[in-house]
Amino acid sequence: DTAVSQTPKYLVTQMGNDKSIKCEQNLGHDTMYWYKQDSKKFLKIMFSYNNKELIINETVPNRFSPKSPDKAHLNLHINSLELGDSAVYFCASGGGVTPEAFFGQGTRLTVV
Amino acid sequence: SQQGEEDPQALSIQEGENATMNCSYKTSINNLQWYRQNSGRGLVHLILIRSNEREKHSGRLRVTLDTSKKSSSLLITASRAADTASYFCATDPGSYKIIFGKGTRLHILP
Repeated sequence: DTAVSQTPKYLVTQMGNDKSIKCEQNLGHDTMYWYKQDSKKFLKIMFSYNNKELIINETVPNRFSPKSPDKAHLNLHINSLELGDSAVYFCASGGGVTPEAFFGQGTRLTVV
Repeated sequence: SQQGEEDPQALSIQEGENATMNCSYKTSINNLQWYRQNSGRGLVHLILIRSNEREKHSGRLRVTLDTSKKSSSLLITASRAADTASYFCATDPGSYKIIFGKGTRLHILP
């Protein structure tokens, strides 16, 4: 059983397209995150949700829209994709008695 | 905003030697965490040290925390080839975000 799973693992798309990345956690955590890791391995937080409510939006362009239908899911929709969006996107969960974060395997997004 | 900064950015040591990585951060924290990332994989949590703790051990890992200097160190003893990875410190300021440093790339030479 995968604790934090995100799909797809790889995503290659053209500029201007809209795409979604799905994330699910079966750990019962209250908090979920999206992180972006660039080519220099710099890991930057994008969003955090707690109990389906948006808590953190770290100056992310509004082309990125997270959606949390329930506590176990946090999906990321990206409109009008740009070359600079190419990166690895990680979903993670944590919170409460487990302050550490558990990461998914990442989605490598390549915009061409 | 970036919170943690690891030092060095890259480290190569012989198998069997000890590896030490340092992390500095800027603001007050609830806890500090260290993660490992193998190439092409997600991050894996290694160890957490709370702000009222000074030292913590887990297997071959030893973490120290000096809140007065806003710094932490991760020591990996008796390194193995499988320890080759990137190591990140992460701070939890208690506002539903975990902020990562830029990482140290550790390479264990056979």
